[in-house]
Amino acid sequence: EIVLTQSPGTLSLSPGERVTLSCRASQSGSSSYLVWYQQKPGQAPRLLIHGASSRATGVPDRFSGSGSGTDFTLSISRLEPEDFAVYYCQQYGSSPPTFGGGTKVEIK
Amino acid sequence: QVHLVQSGAEVKKPGASVKVSCRASGYTFTSYGFSWVRQAPGQGLEWVGWISGYNGNTDYAQKFQGRVTMTTDTSTSTAYMELRSLRYDDTAVYYCVRDCSTKTCLHGYYWGQGTLVTVSS
Repeated sequence: EIVLTQSPGTLSLSPGERVTLSCRASQSGSSSYLVWYQQKPGQAPRLLIHGASSRATGVPDRFSGSGSGTDFTLSISRLEPEDFAVYYCQQYGSSPPTFGGGTKVEIK
Repeated sequence: QVHLVQSGAEVKKPGASVKVSCRASGYTFTSYGFSWVRQAPGQGLEWVGWISGYNGNTDYAQKFQGRVTMTTDTSTSTAYMELRSLRYDDTAVYYCVRDCSTKTCLHGYYWGQGTLVTVSS
C-alpha cells in the first residue's frame, strides 16, 4: 500500500501568516487521486482539495494545492482564525486508500 | 441536499460485535457506494472498507478481513458496518463516507457525523 508521510507534525503560527504543508508518497501515483482534508475537533473531515490542486465546492481561495509524483503541498495564503485545525492528505489511486498522519496547525 | 446520518454511540465489551448504520438521503442510493473510515481517539484516519450501493460488492482493508461485514438495505437507503471480535484498540469514531458505486474512489465530500464505538470491560 502507498504510505503517505506528512510534515511537519505540528505548526505553531499566527493569524495572517502563510503556511505550507507537505505530503510525500512512498510511491508515485496519479496526482488526480490525491486529496486534502481539514478536520476540527469533534467534526468529520472536510474535503478541501481534490485532484491535488482543485478546490472543493465552497472552499476559500486562500487554500491551494500543488504537486505531482510523490510530493504534494497544501498552502494557505493567509491564516484565518477558523483555519487552525488538523490537515490530512489521502490517496485513492491505489487500493487501499491511505491517509497521511496529519499536520496540526495551532495558534502560536 | 445529501445527508448521511449515523446511529448513536455504542459501548461494547471485548469480544462482542457492533453494527453501525448510516442512513442516506438527498440522492439516488444505488448510484453510489460507501466507505467506512475510523479514527481512534487523538489519532489519524484509517480506511476500513467499501461497499457498493448498487450491487453490494465489498472491498475490505486486509487488516479487517474476517472481522468486518458491510451490507446495505436499498429499501431504507441505509448502509451498515458490523465489526466482530471487538478489541480495546477498536475504540474509535467510525464514519461513513459517500463513495463510488463500482469500486472505492474515496475522496470524501459527504461524511456522516460519526459514531463513537467504545470497547470497555
